[in-house]
Amino acid sequence: EAGVTQSPTHLIKTRGQQATLRCSPISGHTSVYWYQQALGLGLQFLLWYDEGEERNRGNFPPRFSGRQFPNYSSELNVNALELEDSALYLCASSGGQGADQPQHFGDGTRLSIL
Amino acid sequence: GQQLNQSPQSMFIQEGEDVSMNCTSSSIFNTWLWYKQEPGEGPVLLIALYKAGELTSNGRLTAQFGITRKDSFLNISASIPSDVGIYFCAGQLNNQGGKLIFGQGTELSVKP
Repeated sequence: EAGVTQSPTHLIKTRGQQATLRCSPISGHTSVYWYQQALGLGLQFLLWYDEGEERNRGNFPPRFSGRQFPNYSSELNVNALELEDSALYLCASSGGQGADQPQHFGDGTRLSIL
Repeated sequence: GQQLNQSPQSMFIQEGEDVSMNCTSSSIFNTWLWYKQEPGEGPVLLIALYKAGELTSNGRLTAQFGITRKDSFLNISASIPSDVGIYFCAGQLNNQGGKLIFGQGTELSVKP
């Protein structure tokens, strides 16, 4: 069974640009989650999508947004990039929204802002 | 953002030794999870705990969901070099909309 896949592996952008990160969940999983892992800040919850709808978002500005497609894959978009957006962005998926459905992570997209 | 208190921050041990790490929170959780992350990879789920007092094993790993629902520990017995990595605890509440709250991580180094 294929795990969560993310693309691209690395992404280099400059300040003010826009970035799009992609995630394909484990087959059969309907919930997709996005986390930011920045140096010194640990893993921070960004967004949760389930059945194509945004269900919850963390304490991040509106320039962080995303969507989930009918095949349950997801995109994270970051507009007006700032230097502090440099981080590893991790996508996770689960079989549902219940707390008994653990989240499984992909290997992330390393976003570097120059 | 909100985080769990995970300790120790780092451990340097000899191969064959047992390891213990723990997480505490001021809030209760419905679920406790333990993940391991190696360089260049995402966190890999090790153990999931769903009931207060639950003790669960996965090979040489054992984790417990604290009876107060505010803490959890992870033990690794007879450590081996491939145990090297960063271990994270994570807590989840049923009414928190899928959000996992992570500890700061415990970096484990194993000397052969």
